[in-house]
Parts: sequence; C-alpha cells; structure tokens
Amino acid sequence: EAGVAQSPRYKIIEKRQSVAFWCNPISGHATLYWYQQILGQGPKLLIQFQNNGVVDDSQLPKDRFSAERLKGVDSTLKIQPAKLEDSAVYLCASNRKVAGNTGELFFGEGSRLTVL
Amino acid sequence: AQSVTQLGSHVSVSEGALVLLRCNYSSSVPPYLFWYVQYPNQGLQLLLKYTSAATLVKGINGFEAEFKKSETSFHLTKPSAHMSDAAEYFCAVSEGSASKIIFGSGTRLSIRP
Repeated sequence: EAGVAQSPRYKIIEKRQSVAFWCNPISGHATLYWYQQILGQGPKLLIQFQNNGVVDDSQLPKDRFSAERLKGVDSTLKIQPAKLEDSAVYLCASNRKVAGNTGELFFGEGSRLTVL
Repeated sequence: AQSVTQLGSHVSVSEGALVLLRCNYSSSVPPYLFWYVQYPNQGLQLLLKYTSAATLVKGINGFEAEFKKSETSFHLTKPSAHMSDAAEYFCAVSEGSASKIIFGSGTRLSIRP
C-alpha cells in the first residue's frame, strides 16, 4: 500500500512570509497527525485529526499556525507569518485508530522548512 | 500526563558491539511503548512496540526491548551493531490506542568501524 505522502519536501522562505504543507495519509487511516521536529529534538505533536474533526490542538500556536482536513482525507498545515523559530521538519503521520489498534503511527518523509 | 526521557543524546559503539539505548517513561496508566528509528532525511519507522503482552519485545533488524514496570524503563538493545544501524532512535509512550503518542528527544547512534 502507498505510504504517507507529503509535499513539498523542502521549502525556504523569509520571516513573515507564509507557507503551506500538504499531507495525504494512508488510505483508510482515520487519524492524522502533524508533528514539528526541530533539529536535535524529538517530534512534538501540533495537531491530531480524527476524520475531519480536531481531537487535540493544544500545542498548535494558533496565532500563526492553522490546519484543516476538510474531507477527512488529506490535510494542509499553514504558517502565517513565519518566524525564525519555525524552522523545522514538519512530519505528517496517520493510523487507523480502531478498536484494538495499538496506536502505531505511519510517518511521511517530512517537509523541511527553513525560515531566513 | 505521559512523558518519556531518553538518557544520552549520542551513543557511539564499535561495529559488532552491544547496542544499549536507554528510555524511561512516566504514565498514569499501563502504557503503550514504542521505539522508532529515523534515517537521515527520512520519516520515522517503527522498530518495535509494547502493548501489554510479552515484556520482551522483538523488533526489526535484530533489535529488542524489555518492559520493566518496576523501573519504568523500556531500553532498546541489539547484541551486535552493524554500520547500517547508524541513525536517530526515538522512544515514545502512549496511554492507550486512543491517546496521543509522545516522543522522547532522541538518541543518535554512531557505529565505529
């Protein structure tokens, strides 16, 4: 089966500009996550969707970050305006989240953002 | 709330030597525990997982981990390191299949020839 698809792989922008990342999860996976991975750190959860509803966005900086999953399939994460500290890899992950599911996540290759 | 601590941000071993990567967790309920591996410029890949069955869990590429409730630990081991094991390793904890997965800060494993 096809894995989690993310684009673009790399993006360089200047501070105060905007950027959007796209993710298409594995077919049939109801739950989708966006993680932020800053260099030298572990992934930090930004937002979790169950189908097209938000389950957890407690760590999403809502003044500049937004995310949507309108049809419960693919998702877009937007940053506007970007700050230097937003330089990171943005990882998308998905899983089936049905009864008995052990919670294993399947990750895309990530989108690396550099803010100058 | 659950959390995970990985001891040692960088571990270096010789090829053929034992690999030991340490992970301690905190959870208010019996946890699910995971080890993920990340190769350069790639996403994370599941190595192995503990979900309340056998306490010794075997994963891919010869890795295994033992769940020790009394020590709140889930250390990752491999008897003999290979050059291809060089990567970043992340321990993660979840409080059930409906709970979010929290990652540790990672341990970079280097293999000396």
